Amino acid sequence: GEDVEQSLFLSVREGDSSVINCTYTDSSSTYLYWYKQEPGAGLQLLTYIFSNMDMKQDQRLTVLLNKKDKHLSLRIADTQTGDSAIYFCASGGYNTDKLIFGTGTRLQVFP
Amino acid sequence: ETGVTQTPRHLVMGMTNKKSLKCEQHLGHNAMYWYKQSAKKPLELMFVYNFKEQTENNSVPSRFSPECPNSSHLFLHLHTLQPEDSALYLCASRGTLNTPEAFFGQGTRLTVV
Repeated sequence: GEDVEQSLFLSVREGDSSVINCTYTDSSSTYLYWYKQEPGAGLQLLTYIFSNMDMKQDQRLTVLLNKKDKHLSLRIADTQTGDSAIYFCASGGYNTDKLIFGTGTRLQVFP
Repeated sequence: ETGVTQTPRHLVMGMTNKKSLKCEQHLGHNAMYWYKQSAKKPLELMFVYNFKEQTENNSVPSRFSPECPNSSHLFLHLHTLQPEDSALYLCASRGTLNTPEAFFGQGTRLTVV
């Protein structure tokens, strides 16, 4: 079945860039998403990218997609302590129900 | 604020109780989802409704019973749950199956005792 994998933890210093990586297996994925979850909260949609794109930038966030390798990354520039959270990668298809999520990467930002 | 509201935020129930979780959105979305989030596990898709019709039941035990009376409301009816059902239950909505943005509620933290 479809699968999305992420590393579990990432620790960065405040002001540095963070890069969170994700791999997925479903080659028919049309949309690739990044969500952020803060403690005790639901999932907040950060950004998404269509599978026919290889990069998307939105302020401090840069998403890179390597469709051949089914690899997605999220780069957060100038990481702040408020960026500490769990980041989920997800894949979804066009005209399909499923949104498949990874286990999430816990980002810890230290001063 | 995502526009998707879940109630209650916290629920403690005994194994013989019957309770319901509610999800509401007034975004004009037609697809609604229930997910289960347990510690150290990926989000598990439970049910999907599209235009009030159930389109996905991801092998969920019958002690979980969804209901979608209209496109704005989604319920999850719970009865005779087990302690391992304790988790964060998340509702999400999406415009249609062809629109990418899916928005989540804050979740209901369920504890089964």
